[in-house]
Amino acid sequence: AQTVTQSQPEMSVQEAETVTLSCTYDTSESDYYLFWYKQPPSRQMILVIRQEAYKQQNATENRFSVNFQKAAKSFSLKISDSQLGDAAMYFCASSGGGADGLTFGKGTHLIIQP
Amino acid sequence: DAGVIQSPRHEVTEMGQEVTLRCKPISGHDYLFWYRQTMMRGLELLIYFNNNVPIDDSGMPEDRFSAKMPNASFSTLKIQPSEPRDSAVYFCASSPQPYNEQFFGPGTRLTVL
Repeated sequence: AQTVTQSQPEMSVQEAETVTLSCTYDTSESDYYLFWYKQPPSRQMILVIRQEAYKQQNATENRFSVNFQKAAKSFSLKISDSQLGDAAMYFCASSGGGADGLTFGKGTHLIIQP
Repeated sequence: DAGVIQSPRHEVTEMGQEVTLRCKPISGHDYLFWYRQTMMRGLELLIYFNNNVPIDDSGMPEDRFSAKMPNASFSTLKIQPSEPRDSAVYFCASSPQPYNEQFFGPGTRLTVL
């Protein structure tokens, strides 16, 4: 079974600053995927970024990047130049190893201070 | 494509009533997932289908819950009888491949009084 832990229930950052959200996971599988999803107040789940475990290069999507530390089983999300529209719940998730469904962390509530 | 479609968006019912939630996945996606989101337990996988066949229903909480996928474009999640502790947001998601990005519907907020 996979587990995903997000240790920061809430984070706050000033607009235009950089913030890092933490995530650790536990899996015995060698083939798995990691994701960050965003859930704004509309409650729609939106994919922010994806990382394949076999790839050493950290994924990047515009202002969003990850720091994937496979040995430490750490998968943090960095948001640069934070914008008011980034305010949301952020969920770290994993899949793979025969488990096609996603295992989610409890989420981090990100607040953007204008 | 219109994305994953769920209905209804909101459902309020009395304890003991039957509730049916509906989902239309993205065309061409072979995988369909049902999740439940609550404050206490977060997001948890209930069941998923591959090519209309249920693969893993270990997350279904009780026999009161059942899910079907009669064809590639439609799935239902039924709760009978419903209880107040079933109150949650229920998401349907679909994916073209295993392990890959899942596309979520807008969710159904269920309130059982």
